[in-house]
Amino acid sequence: AQSVSQHNHHVILSEAASLELGCNYSYGGTVNLFWYVQYPGQHLQLLLKYFSGDPLVKGIKGFEAEFIKSKFSFNLRKPSVQWSDTAEYFCAVHSGGYQKVTFGTGTKLQVIP
Amino acid sequence: NAGVTQTPKFRVLKTGQSMTLLCAQDMNHEYMYWYRQDPGMGLRLIHYSVGEGTTAKGEVPDGYNVSRLKKQNFLLGLESAAPSQTSVYFCASSRALSYNEQFFGPGTRLTVL
Repeated sequence: AQSVSQHNHHVILSEAASLELGCNYSYGGTVNLFWYVQYPGQHLQLLLKYFSGDPLVKGIKGFEAEFIKSKFSFNLRKPSVQWSDTAEYFCAVHSGGYQKVTFGTGTKLQVIP
Repeated sequence: NAGVTQTPKFRVLKTGQSMTLLCAQDMNHEYMYWYRQDPGMGLRLIHYSVGEGTTAKGEVPDGYNVSRLKKQNFLLGLESAAPSQTSVYFCASSRALSYNEQFFGPGTRLTVL
């Protein structure tokens, strides 16, 4: 079975600090990877996704993620966070043979002004 | 274009009562999903559907039933609610093939006393 691990459950940063959220998955074959974001009181929305090609993927609001196949990782990064980035971030993976996407447990990011 | 809508937004039930959550999408998506979100557990898939008239079990199907009689609607039923079913329930839809982006509804907050 595919699985996703997000090791950081709660991250607190000051504005302008750099962000890196970890995501590791278990499946060894072809994968499609996603980061979703849930702002306070809102529903989940797609931040970025990786299907193939360039392993460095750019998403909305200055976020990017790098797919490192050898490390089974898809870490989310942002050079300088803003207070408005306060949200919960979910990594998700779809792998061949599964008809569904598996979500990680989420990382709550709190940005202090 | 409303996207994915969920009814109701909030509900309080007593143990043993039944209810149905309604999810509707107007994007002509083939796939639909029901998740529950609990603190520290992330999103867990309850049931999903890959087309009208079809349903399948996810990670945590016990105590829930679903139906997809029309392509645009996906119903989640609780026959005999239990306090362990207190959660926030999200519906999502996507185009066919599970690696496509999922579009989420606003959620239903259910409390079972």
